[in-house]
Amino acid sequence: AQSVTQLDSQVPVFEEAPVELRCNYSSSVSVYLFWYVQYPNQGLQLLLKYLSGSTLVKGINGFEAEFNKSQTSFHLRKPSVHISDTAEYFCAVSESSGGSNYKLTFGKGTLLTVNP
Amino acid sequence: DTEVTQTPKHLVMGMTNKKSLKCEQHMGHRAMYWYKQKAKKPPELMFVYSYEKLSINESVPSRFSPECPNSSLLNLHLHALQPEDSALYLCASSQPLVTYPLREQFFGPGTRLTVL
Repeated sequence: AQSVTQLDSQVPVFEEAPVELRCNYSSSVSVYLFWYVQYPNQGLQLLLKYLSGSTLVKGINGFEAEFNKSQTSFHLRKPSVHISDTAEYFCAVSESSGGSNYKLTFGKGTLLTVNP
Repeated sequence: DTEVTQTPKHLVMGMTNKKSLKCEQHMGHRAMYWYKQKAKKPPELMFVYSYEKLSINESVPSRFSPECPNSSLLNLHLHALQPEDSALYLCASSQPLVTYPLREQFFGPGTRLTVL
């Protein structure tokens, strides 16, 4: 079974500052990794995903993440945040093979609050 | 079209009512999902349909009854719900699971359900 740990439940930052949202996972098999964003009263939108290949993944809205297999991490970064980035961010993992490959396992989420 | 639509956006119902939630996608996805999301929590998987057949039921109470009438539509029938069932109900779709390991799920905006 896989699990996801998002180390920070809340991250407050000032506008135009850099931000890193941390995600660690645990799995006995190879995984796919995802970051989703949820704006207030909306569904989840995919920011970026790691399936294979380059460990640095670029997504929408200027976000990027780096897959580190040895540290089992997939941290999300943005060099300069905007007020509009205020949202809940979920890290998720799925097995790349096997009987549980239908299942997205989510972390508990990190609330990013960007202050002026 | 990369959109998953859900109706209604909001629903208030009494514990004796019967209501239905609807979800539609036109991306040709043959896997569809229902999730329940409580406030400040990650989504919890309820049901998975693969090729219009129920393949996964995550031990959901029988007062929730899913239906997949065709490859584009997914319904969730609600009956005799409890106040603790109040939540955001999210629908998602993906490539068919049999031939594709889960790559990403596309989420709808959700239905905010309140049970009085």
